[in-house]
Amino acid sequence: QQPVQSPQAVILREGEDAVINCSSSKALYSVHWYRQKHGEAPVFLMILLKGGEQKGHEKISASFNEKKQQSSLYLTASQLSYSGTYFCGTEYVRGSNYQLIWGAGTKLIIKP
Amino acid sequence: DGGITQSPKYLFRKEGQNVTLSCEQNLNHDAMYWYRQDPGQGLRLIYYSQIVNDFQKGDIAEGYSVSREKKESFPLTVTSAQKNPTAFYLCASSDRGLGYNEQFFGPGTRLTVL
Repeated sequence: QQPVQSPQAVILREGEDAVINCSSSKALYSVHWYRQKHGEAPVFLMILLKGGEQKGHEKISASFNEKKQQSSLYLTASQLSYSGTYFCGTEYVRGSNYQLIWGAGTKLIIKP
Repeated sequence: DGGITQSPKYLFRKEGQNVTLSCEQNLNHDAMYWYRQDPGQGLRLIYYSQIVNDFQKGDIAEGYSVSREKKESFPLTVTSAQKNPTAFYLCASSDRGLGYNEQFFGPGTRLTVL
């Protein structure tokens, strides 16, 4: 049930672009994206809702393919501050409630 | 400033002891969550609460207990029944329960069993 994130890790030079993918085998209600720096709390980046609605930071872009149950996070012109581990959380409807399950994370290293 | 506080930041426990991790929020959020994070792993849900005096087990609740007597507080007790408690524990809250609501996380408590 845990969503699969790819790649597991990526190393970039400052200014390069990256795409992080999140894939689920179950029908999704929404996808959450968070970034965590080592030893710190995860920080909210974006939520994408089934049907196209989304909310999050203006400088972050992401997509949600409902048919494939996949989401991608796009990091363009990367900065040193983008370094960290990116987690996707996939949200499902379970009865009258929702269930949020987190991926194992993608570690992003930005080099100057 | 509004936010979530967790204490202590580091906690050492001897085997067989119960310990309680504190989580307080002043965001006026209804829902609160406890997660466990192991090295190189994602977040796993221990317990969550959508309203005062009510809480539900998450995926790995065995060996843990919680209470929600006040809206702003959601303490987690790690009991001696938890066989491998060494981990990073994160508390989070959201305006309402799950369903298109972002979660706000505290700074975490790193628990080490000696």
